[in-house]
Amino acid sequence: AQSVSQHNHHVILSEAASLELGCNYSYGGTVNLFWYVQYPGQHLQLLLKYFSGDPLVKGIKGFEAEFIKSKFSFNLRKPSVQWSDTAEYFCAVNPEFVGGAQKLVFGQGTRLTINP
Amino acid sequence: EAGVTQFPSHSVIEKGQTVTLRCDPISGHDNLYWYRRVMGKEIKFLLHFVKESKQDESGMPNNRFLAERTGGTYSTLKVQPAELEDSGVYFCASSQRDTQYFGPGTRLTVL
Repeated sequence: AQSVSQHNHHVILSEAASLELGCNYSYGGTVNLFWYVQYPGQHLQLLLKYFSGDPLVKGIKGFEAEFIKSKFSFNLRKPSVQWSDTAEYFCAVNPEFVGGAQKLVFGQGTRLTINP
Repeated sequence: EAGVTQFPSHSVIEKGQTVTLRCDPISGHDNLYWYRRVMGKEIKFLLHFVKESKQDESGMPNNRFLAERTGGTYSTLKVQPAELEDSGVYFCASSQRDTQYFGPGTRLTVL
């Protein structure tokens, strides 16, 4: 079945540690890729997105993600995390269907806890 | 610019009752989406409106769910009658083109 997989359900890090959250998808055609974040008590916010062009995309708050087409992956990275990065992170894919349906398919989410 | 708003933020009802959730999209956004996250699972697509028309309702779980979008502005999602498995967080999102902006969600608890 076509899906999006996030490998880690819960990641615990200390401040200043480097972060990489994995995301793989199983769609074979053209896709748009997104990372969303939900901070405690807040709504889903867009961190970054990839549609085309440079496969290394930079987002808000120092996050970046790399699209590797051959691996069907779109991993999220941050070189040095802060306590304020504690949140749940969602990878999402918008498979481009003929006809323009634009639904997002989400991974299971990764809960990130940063210890001060 | 106001973001996507949803009402209520939390609803607790008993099995068999009816609940109506409302979503107000960002002004000018023709696309409106409903998603649902059941406890411990991924966020799943329910349906997509373009203006007042249903573009894709392939994610609607069954005919107990009815979505409308009056005049292409706000949207409602009615669950009638509610069942225990309908509990979860219902998200609304809107977009002008390719990027969807989400509301805070409505947490529905069916007892």
